[in-house]
Amino acid sequence: KAGVTQTPRYLIKTRGQQVTLSCSPISGHRSVSWYQQTPGQGLQFLFEYFSETQRNKGNFPGRFSGRQFSNSRSEMNVSTLELGDSALYLCASSEGVGTGMGETQYFGPGTRLLVL
Amino acid sequence: AQTVTQSQPEMSVQEAETVTLSCTYDTSENNYYLFWYKQPPSRQMILVIRQEAYKQQNATENRFSVNFQKAAKSFSLKISDSQLGDTAMYFCAFMKRGSQGNLIFGKGTKLSVKP
Repeated sequence: KAGVTQTPRYLIKTRGQQVTLSCSPISGHRSVSWYQQTPGQGLQFLFEYFSETQRNKGNFPGRFSGRQFSNSRSEMNVSTLELGDSALYLCASSEGVGTGMGETQYFGPGTRLLVL
Repeated sequence: AQTVTQSQPEMSVQEAETVTLSCTYDTSENNYYLFWYKQPPSRQMILVIRQEAYKQQNATENRFSVNFQKAAKSFSLKISDSQLGDTAMYFCAFMKRGSQGNLIFGKGTKLSVKP
């Protein structure tokens, strides 16, 4: 099976703009999670979607939002970009059938966002 | 709230030798899962090993094994017969049962394997 794919891989935006990142999970996986990775804060959980519903959410401001489509593909959106939003955004998928049973998450290569 | 601490920001080991990476965590939960993930330079993160907290037996995957001490809230990773391809950032992660998709990561340990 193909792995988790993320597009675009690199993105440069300016402060105040908005951005949409896309994630295609492994075929058959229904759960998609998003993480932000920065040198200072490390890896932080943004949110998780299953069957088009957000099940879990991390401690990020409302500028960060996401959604999931019926084919399990997911997008995340960041509005009114700030310099501190510069990061590697990682998407991970899992089967999702064992809710909360510690299923292995498979990560994509990430989208590197630079905000100028 | 749960926290994960990796006290060794960087480590190095000679090829073919054994190295142990430390991880401690803090939680009031009794049912949870622990993971070690590897992130090679400029490559995507992959799972190294997974441990279910209710299982006393330590998980092993080929050259990788863990020492899980539930009472001490410790979850160290041992890499035997280190190989150059083991060079990577290693992240320890915690997931509370029932909280699918929400991994709490440590800051990571940068491991360099030297020839």
